[in-house]
Amino acid sequence: DAGVIQSPRHEVTEMGQEVTLRCKPISGHNSLFWYRQTMMRGLELLIYFNNNVPIDDSGMPEDRFSAKMPNASFSTLKIQPSEPRDSAVYFCASSYPGPSSGANVLTFGAGSRLTVL
Amino acid sequence: SQELEQSPQSLIVQEGKNLTINCTSSKTLYGLYWYKQKYGEGLIFLMMLQKGGEEKSHEKITAKLDEKKQQSSLHITASQPSHAGIYLCGADTGANNLFFGTGTRLTVIP
Repeated sequence: DAGVIQSPRHEVTEMGQEVTLRCKPISGHNSLFWYRQTMMRGLELLIYFNNNVPIDDSGMPEDRFSAKMPNASFSTLKIQPSEPRDSAVYFCASSYPGPSSGANVLTFGAGSRLTVL
Repeated sequence: SQELEQSPQSLIVQEGKNLTINCTSSKTLYGLYWYKQKYGEGLIFLMMLQKGGEEKSHEKITAKLDEKKQQSSLHITASQPSHAGIYLCGADTGANNLFFGTGTRLTVIP
């Protein structure tokens, strides 16, 4: 398996632009997580899906952030409009069979480094 | 809300030395996960602990979960430059929420 695949690996954009980050989870994994990592705040859980359904989006900073999972093999995290404080590394992770099982080993992607100027 | 506090925040050791990283939770843990992150890369799973008093080892890394399931330690024996990176503990609180500690940055000097 190729693991969790994220794109783009690096994105530099200007304030106000729309940013879309993409994630392909491991085939067969039914939970997908989006995290954001910064020096100041560490690794923060933004949202997670179970069987393509958003379960907890309480970590999404504000309405500028949205995430979708139209099918089991694809998810997007969108920021519109982007701001300099959104600069961070965004990680996608997937797991099976799900957090409630008590054995929630996440496999992480390599991350998307976003810089908003 | 639950919090995970790691100590120390950073650690610099000479190659060959032993070291310990601690992770303390403000609430009882349902599962405790240790991950390692190399600079500029994603997180790699190391070990998972679920039972109070549980201890697991992999190569030169040993992780323990205390009886009360609120504190875990990660011990590296005879550290090597390959051990360098950021170590993060992650917690499953049983409320369908998995989150991570603040991280410990380890530097091993050859």
